[in-house]
Amino acid sequence: AQKITQTQPGMFVQEKEAVTLDCTYDTSDQSYGLFWYKQPSSGEMIFLIYQGSYDEQNATEGRYSLNFQKARKSANLVISASQLGDSAMYFCAMREAWGGGADGLTFGKGTHLIIQP
Amino acid sequence: SAVISQKPSRDICQRGTSLTIQCQVDSQVTMMFWYRQQPGQSLTLIATANQGSEATYESGFVIDKFPISRPNLTFSTLTVSNMSPEDSSIYLCSVGVGSEQYFGPGTRLTVT
Repeated sequence: AQKITQTQPGMFVQEKEAVTLDCTYDTSDQSYGLFWYKQPSSGEMIFLIYQGSYDEQNATEGRYSLNFQKARKSANLVISASQLGDSAMYFCAMREAWGGGADGLTFGKGTHLIIQP
Repeated sequence: SAVISQKPSRDICQRGTSLTIQCQVDSQVTMMFWYRQQPGQSLTLIATANQGSEATYESGFVIDKFPISRPNLTFSTLTVSNMSPEDSSIYLCSVGVGSEQYFGPGTRLTVT
C-alpha cells in the first residue's frame, strides 16, 4: 500500500485564487512528520512547510498552511492568493519514527499545479 | 535551515562508466540522505549516510552500485557505478535540521 497518496496529478487554478493540494498518508507510528515541497522546472526541491504528528495547531508559513486532520490521516497544503510563480510540482512526504531527522522521507507522486493568469 | 551544494550540477556520461557526486553542507549534520528522481517520477530514498559508519541502503539499492562515503560531518559522496541509461535521473542529497529536511540543488545525470 502507498504510504503517501496524492490524488491530483494535475491542477489548473486561476491566479489569486486559493489552492488546496490533497495528501493522505498511512502509518502505524504515533510519531511522524509531514512535509510539503515545491519543485519548479529547475528541479530544486524547496521546503515549504512541516507538521509534526503531535503538533496541535496547523502549521503555517506565509501563504502556505497545512490542514492537518490526524483522524483522517490527511495533510492537505493550502496556498492562499495563488501567484503565477506558484506553478510547479508539489510533493507531500512523510518521515516515520520522528527522531530528529534520523530517517529519510517517503514521497507521494506529486501534483503538477499550473496557475493561469 | 541548511545551505547544501552539489557537484556536478549535471553531467552526460557513457554507459559502463562511473560518476561521483559530491554533497557539501554549511553546518555539521549527523545524517545525510541520498535520493533519486527518475524522469517524471517522485523521489526515492537510496541510502542514509552516517559519519563513521557504513551507509544504510533502501530496498532495491546496493552498495556495489551506489557506494557512499561520509568522511566528515559536512560532506558526502555518492558514486553511480557501471552506469546504464536507466540510471539517468536527478540525484539529490538531503540533510535534516531539527525537524525539517532540506535538499541540495541536485545533480542531473544523463547516461548515453
